Amino acid sequence: SQQGEEDPQALSIQEGENATMNCSYKTSINNLQWYRQNSGRGLVHLILIRSNEREKHSGRLRVTLDTSKKSSSLLITASRAADTASYFCATVYDYKLSFGAGTTVTVRA
Amino acid sequence: NAGVTQTPKFQVLKTGQSMTLQCAQDMNHEYMSWYRQDPGMGLRLIHYSVGAGITDQGEVPNGYNVSRSTTEDFPLRLLSAAPSQTSVYFCASSYSIGGNTEAFFGQGTRLTVV
Repeated sequence: SQQGEEDPQALSIQEGENATMNCSYKTSINNLQWYRQNSGRGLVHLILIRSNEREKHSGRLRVTLDTSKKSSSLLITASRAADTASYFCATVYDYKLSFGAGTTVTVRA
Repeated sequence: NAGVTQTPKFQVLKTGQSMTLQCAQDMNHEYMSWYRQDPGMGLRLIHYSVGAGITDQGEVPNGYNVSRSTTEDFPLRLLSAAPSQTSVYFCASSYSIGGNTEAFFGQGTRLTVV
């Protein structure tokens, strides 16, 4: 079974709004990563948060990590049409990089 | 710097045929892996390698073989293709798996088995 699970499965927002998606995982981790996939393309790394970090920022991205709840969230602020994509969280456990099923984000102009 | 290169980009196979999906990286990464992506399923790990000569099974290894004779290459072999193997396949590499490093992905191979 997959290590991470994203919520919601799909999200539709207006351009300029914020998008928040959540990830829950099952085992202890070294770090948690978020990736973006544009339709039909490979995944692109967005941000990595280490297990001893609680919050991290990168441009319009904000990631939080709560290891006690085994959960993480990704916030995209001031969304743009170009943010339309699928977003996946990923964790490393036992030499395996495992992904959740992803959140599909649609940003309406 | 090409990154991770997968070939072919598209392939149609008949049931029972065999083929090899190629993956090469030029970043001297130790860790390489293969995933399949099906609608609504996210990415599922097929096989992975922590270095040349070392491979191990992931979540869905049945029907696939891998080898890692060099650091650069990590081919995925379909032994006898089945319609259930219709999927998009992604190869990924990273500097290490235990450290805090990101994975780089190829552009994928879209495989259809008829």
